[in-house]
Amino acid sequence: EDQVTQSPEALRLQEGESSSLNCSYTVSGLRGLFWYRQDPGKGPEFLFTLYSAGEEKEKERLKATLTKKESFLHITAPKPEDSATYLCAVRTGGFKTIFGAGTRLFVKA
Amino acid sequence: GAVVSQHPSRVICKSGTSVKIECRSLDFQATTMFWYRQFPKKSLMLMATSNEGSKATYEQGVEKDKFLINHASLTLSTLTVTSAHPEDSSFYICSARDRSGAGNQPQHFGDGTRLSIL
Repeated sequence: EDQVTQSPEALRLQEGESSSLNCSYTVSGLRGLFWYRQDPGKGPEFLFTLYSAGEEKEKERLKATLTKKESFLHITAPKPEDSATYLCAVRTGGFKTIFGAGTRLFVKA
Repeated sequence: GAVVSQHPSRVICKSGTSVKIECRSLDFQATTMFWYRQFPKKSLMLMATSNEGSKATYEQGVEKDKFLINHASLTLSTLTVTSAHPEDSSFYICSARDRSGAGNQPQHFGDGTRLSIL
C-alpha cells in the first residue's frame, strides 16, 4: 500500500537552531515528491519538487533532499516567520498524489 | 508562478442552504482540479478529482449528490455543498495542476474557503 509518513508531528526550535523534517515514503513508482508550506487558515504554498534520488533544491533557509526512501527538508538558522506546517506529497507511478500528515514547526524568537 | 484563486474565502450560512465555491487557475490551464477538506490540525483529505468536460471522480465515502462538482472549462471548477448542515462546516481547499508537463507537475492550491453552517 502506498504510504507517506512525516516526522516529527511537531517541532519546536529556537531562532537560529537548524534542524530537519523527514518525509518517508513507500510507493509503487515515484513520479515526483513535493514539499509545501501551509500557514493557518491558508492553502498550501508550493516550495519544491524533487524527481530523482540525489536531487537537491534550495530556497532561502530551506533545502530539500531526496533518497530512494525518504526526503528531508533542512531548515538552516530558522526565523519565527518560518513557523508553519510543512507538508510532503508523493506522486506515484499510478499518477496518484498522496499527502503526508505534515510537521508543525514552531520557531521561537 | 502558478496562481489558483478560490472564492469565497469565508461563508457563514443557515442550515439547509446550498453553497457554491469557485476555484480558478489564473495563469495556466488545468485539465484536472482537486477538492480537499481539512479538519483542524489535520492534513488534507481528498474529496474528489474534477476533470474538465467529464464527471468528477469521488473518493470513497464522499457523497456525490451532496458535493456537486462542475469543471466546465480549463480554468474553472466549482464545488456546491447542497443543503448544508452543521457537520459540513469545514475548511475546503481546491488545487489545480498545470496541464503541461507529463503529469508530474505539482498541484497549486487556492487559499481555501472556511464554511460555517449555523
